[in-house]
Amino acid sequence: TQLLEQSPQFLSIQEGENLTVYCNSSSVFSSLQWYRQEPGEGPVLLVTVVTGGEVKKLKRLTFQFGDARKDSSLHITAAQPGDTGLYLCAGAPVGNDMRFGAGTRLTVKP
Amino acid sequence: DAGVIQSPRHEVTEMGQEVTLRCKPISGHNSLFWYRQTMMRGLELLIYFNNNVPIDDSGMPEDRFSAKMPNASFSTLKIQPSEPRDSAVYFCASSLTGGPNQPQHFGDGTRLSIL
Repeated sequence: TQLLEQSPQFLSIQEGENLTVYCNSSSVFSSLQWYRQEPGEGPVLLVTVVTGGEVKKLKRLTFQFGDARKDSSLHITAAQPGDTGLYLCAGAPVGNDMRFGAGTRLTVKP
Repeated sequence: DAGVIQSPRHEVTEMGQEVTLRCKPISGHNSLFWYRQTMMRGLELLIYFNNNVPIDDSGMPEDRFSAKMPNASFSTLKIQPSEPRDSAVYFCASSLTGGPNQPQHFGDGTRLSIL
């Protein structure tokens, strides 16, 4: 069982569509991070959310941290082919080391 | 700025052989992490170091795996003897400190295939 459950596992959409991916846990986190990984490369940090209820925007990407600091979501508006990649959430439960979710593999078709 | 540098990028070897993966973290970063990524298990933390000292190696699969960090600018992950089930992409990452809020900077990985 993954500490961080990400859904959906796979997502294939057309360019211009909106989407939301989720990262859920039964544990409380001091912070959660979102990374994007492209083929042949390592994950690259997109954002860190720290405060319960926090919303952060990065151009067309909106990240939200749940009020109870157990879950997070990533919403992409008007997806583009360049958004294609593996989206990973990561967090360290209080007193523990950081762990990664299994990821959502997003494909945006032109 | 130079990022995390891993070598080799690809390694293909026969089972039973010793494999050594290398990592140079970002200068000034005090924490270094080794991960393994497979389709089945995702990204798994193997071991991490703070100030060159191993802090948590509970993710190391078994005694065939060992990691060292002789100085702040170099780390190795060794598999001896290697087995086909070790085939995966191995990533090294570094962060300024080991704190949970610190972003981790990843190298491009070593794709390891054990025949």
